Amino acid sequence: DQQVKQNSPSLSVQEGRISILNCDYTNSMFDYFLWYKKYPAEGPTFLISISSIKDKNEDGRFTVFLNKSAKHLSLHIVPSQPGDSAVYFCAAISQGGSEKLVFGKGTKLTVNP
Amino acid sequence: GAGVSQTPSNKVTEKGKYVELRCDPISGHTALYWYRQSLGQGPEFLIYFQGTGAADDSGLPNDRFFAVRPEGSVSTLKIQRTERGDSAVYLCASSPGTPGEQYFGPGTRLTVT
Repeated sequence: DQQVKQNSPSLSVQEGRISILNCDYTNSMFDYFLWYKKYPAEGPTFLISISSIKDKNEDGRFTVFLNKSAKHLSLHIVPSQPGDSAVYFCAAISQGGSEKLVFGKGTKLTVNP
Repeated sequence: GAGVSQTPSNKVTEKGKYVELRCDPISGHTALYWYRQSLGQGPEFLIYFQGTGAADDSGLPNDRFFAVRPEGSVSTLKIQRTERGDSAVYLCASSPGTPGEQYFGPGTRLTVT
C-alpha cells in the first residue's frame, strides 16, 4: 500500500511559467517531508524539505507547501527553467526511528523552451 | 569532496547466481542506507546501518538479501540465488545524521537474465 502518492506521472510546462507538483500521504506518523530531483543515471539529489510544524518553506525558485489536515504537499517552481526537467520524488520520514525515506513514484517534469 | 560511490555501475547476471554490490559512503557519515528502485517506482527502503550494525533491516524482501558494513564505512549488499524480479537499480545513501539529509550514490543497475 503506497503511503506516499504522486498521482501525476508527468507534467509539461513552458519555460518561465510555474510548475506545481503534488504529493499526498496516508501515514499520520510522518513528520518531515522532502523533495528530491533525479536525472537519468544519477542518484536522487535533495531539493527542499519541510517539517510538519511548518506550512511553507521557500528556497529561491522552489517553495514547498504542506497542508497537514489534508495530508497533502506541493512543490512550486517559479519561474521554471529547461534545466529543471527531471523526475521529482516526494519523500516522507517519521523521525526518531531509522529515518528511512518513504518515496512516491515520482513525477517527470518537462520544461519546454 | 567525494560523494557516495557505488560499484559496479552495471551488473548483468544469470538467474541463480550470487552478486555483491558495493557502496563507499561519504567520509565521516555514520548512517548508511540501501534502497531499491524498480522501473516506474520510487526508491524503496531495504536496510539502514548506524555504524557497523544493521539498525533496521525491515525492508529486505527475503533471506536471499543480506548486507554488511564491517568497519562502519564501506557496505556490501549481497544477493543469493538471484531471480529476474531482483532486476532493479540499487541505490546507496549516506547521512551525517541530520533528518532527511541523505546523499545518494548513482546506483548499481542489476539485470538478472
